[in-house]
Amino acid sequence: GAGVSQSPRYKVTKRGQDVALRCDPISGHVSLYWYRQALGQGPEFLTYFNYEAQQDKSGLPNDRFSAERPEGSISTLTIQRTEQRDSAMYRCAGGMGITGELFFGEGSRLTVL
Amino acid sequence: AQSVTQLDSQVPVFEEAPVELRCNYSSSVSVYLFWYVQYPNQGLQLLLKYLSGSTLVKGINGFEAEFNKSQTSFHLRKPSVHISDTAEYFCAVRDNAGNMLTFGGGTRLMVKP
Repeated sequence: GAGVSQSPRYKVTKRGQDVALRCDPISGHVSLYWYRQALGQGPEFLTYFNYEAQQDKSGLPNDRFSAERPEGSISTLTIQRTEQRDSAMYRCAGGMGITGELFFGEGSRLTVL
Repeated sequence: AQSVTQLDSQVPVFEEAPVELRCNYSSSVSVYLFWYVQYPNQGLQLLLKYLSGSTLVKGINGFEAEFNKSQTSFHLRKPSVHISDTAEYFCAVRDNAGNMLTFGGGTRLMVKP
């Protein structure tokens, strides 16, 4: 596609439910990043991939959070047993190399009731 | 570890006035520096970046930034702002040893007529 696509754009769920957020990056982008952005704050790093390999997951808050990118393109961020504190905008970005820019999707806004 | 501090959470300014958005970073190694802009309900997009060479970097929409190594700063400037520049601006740093892009908390630029 022309840009980074994230789905769903908006997700409202009840506490305790699992959610899966999808990211479809620009074709050819080797690196894929997940960030979380709380209201009024900057994006906070969660994890990133080079191709299908998860290179760094140090930003994942706890073991309820996981991510995969099995074929080196589309990625899924999964949050199990959601809690209200998980409510935030989840942003995906892709890029090529550490000197290049990251191309961000419009984000998935998660609200946990 | 690296960190980014954006000293002003909000900057109100009148149209056609100059503006400076401040950014300071900390890192133990050489860094690459970026400014991203986020318009309402959109993803982040790159304004400009510093990788090496000239410390004065020009970006899109008339913005520029100056890298000051001794002061560990990368302030963003524009000589004359427009209403359309109203947005959230994020400074980000990536060290040349890793792949994580670390963002500051953001500065909301509010341009008034």
